[in-house]
Amino acid sequence: LAKTTQPISMDSYEGQEVNITCSHNNIATNDYITWYQQFPSQGPRFIIQGYKTKVTNEVASLFIPADRKSSTLSLPRVSLSDTAVYYCLVGATSGTYKYIFGTGTRLKVLA
Amino acid sequence: DSGVTQTPKHLITATGQRVTLRCSPRSGDLSVYWYQQSLDQGLQFLIQYYNGEERAKGNILERFSAQQFPDLHSELNLSSLELGDSALYFCASSVDSGNRETQYFGPGTRLLVL
Repeated sequence: LAKTTQPISMDSYEGQEVNITCSHNNIATNDYITWYQQFPSQGPRFIIQGYKTKVTNEVASLFIPADRKSSTLSLPRVSLSDTAVYYCLVGATSGTYKYIFGTGTRLKVLA
Repeated sequence: DSGVTQTPKHLITATGQRVTLRCSPRSGDLSVYWYQQSLDQGLQFLIQYYNGEERAKGNILERFSAQQFPDLHSELNLSSLELGDSALYFCASSVDSGNRETQYFGPGTRLLVL
């Protein structure tokens, strides 16, 4: 099964671009990569999903290299309200679907 | 608001007891997932149901069980509770099953075992 690791924490300033990387060395061929945002005492909230190359939506971009062993969530021009924990999720397919969250990255945006 | 509801919000109980957590998925969603989030373990996938049937099983203890009813709501039963079971329990739902599905999470149930 894929095991996912992320940096424990990051600090950034308002207006900067933030890149958070997730390592998933054992990702399987059919696995998708999804990123979630979580505020204290709330459930995770979907940000973006991808399979390969680059995906962009109105809030973030997701970069996945050709070997798919890592992925990078890019948040453009962060604001104080982006302070949260960010998780990557890899859907593991080993006969049945299982869902493995990364260790989470605590992002703190400073004024 | 994700559209997923969970009850109760908070639960305090004693070791050895049994509790039931309830989840109502978003309207139209057939899949329900249960996760446990504790400080030292992060978000751990427990189990998934799809249209009433168990679809995937993660790190769920034998003391825990779940089911999904015909109206698609789900219950997670935790028995013989231990101090280490104290955690946030999240339910999520998605339209279909599969690792491409976007999961929508509820607000969670905070369980404290004393």
